[in-house]
Amino acid sequence: DAGVIQSPRHEVTEMGQEVTLRCKPISGHDYLFWYRQTMMRGLELLIYFNNNVPIDDSGMPEDRFSAKMPNASFSTLKIQPSEPRDSAVYFCASSQTGIYYGYTFGSGTRLTVV
Amino acid sequence: QKEVEQDPGPLSVPEGAIVSLNCTYSNSAFQYFMWYRQYSRKGPELLMYTYSSGNKEDGRFTAQVDKSSKYISLFIRDSQPSDSATYLCAITNAGNNRKLIWGLGTSLAVNP
Repeated sequence: DAGVIQSPRHEVTEMGQEVTLRCKPISGHDYLFWYRQTMMRGLELLIYFNNNVPIDDSGMPEDRFSAKMPNASFSTLKIQPSEPRDSAVYFCASSQTGIYYGYTFGSGTRLTVV
Repeated sequence: QKEVEQDPGPLSVPEGAIVSLNCTYSNSAFQYFMWYRQYSRKGPELLMYTYSSGNKEDGRFTAQVDKSSKYISLFIRDSQPSDSATYLCAITNAGNNRKLIWGLGTSLAVNP
């Protein structure tokens, strides 16, 4: 299995631009999580899906952030418009029902907004 | 008070040393206790997990949970330079809430 695949690995964009991050979870995993990681705040859960349905988006910072999961093998996290304070590493992770301890993370997207 | 507290370090030890990494938590209802390892510019990967209390050993790694003190530990014996990474603790409950509560991570450097 190729694991959780995220793209792009790096993204540099100007303030005000739209940014779309992509994720392909592990086949057979029915949970998908989007996280943001910064030095100051650590790992923050933004949103998670179960069977493609958003379950909890309480961690989404504001309306500029949106996430979709149109099918079991693809999810996007969109920021529009982007701001410098959105600069962070964004991780996607997936897991299976009944496995409470095991998330598999992707390698992340390092976002820089200038 | 944060739900999980973890000293961010950094921690620097010589090769072969025994390393002790620790977290404290506040909610006694938590049941699953995990340690993730994160190498630079990579995502976290599950290293070990423990359900409820007690010890679990896997090679050079031992995870301990003391529920009475709300304290979890990861011990690394005979540490190697390849162990240099950030170690994050995470805790959760079973049930529909799939959220993991994360520590900030402890940065470890093992020097040859």
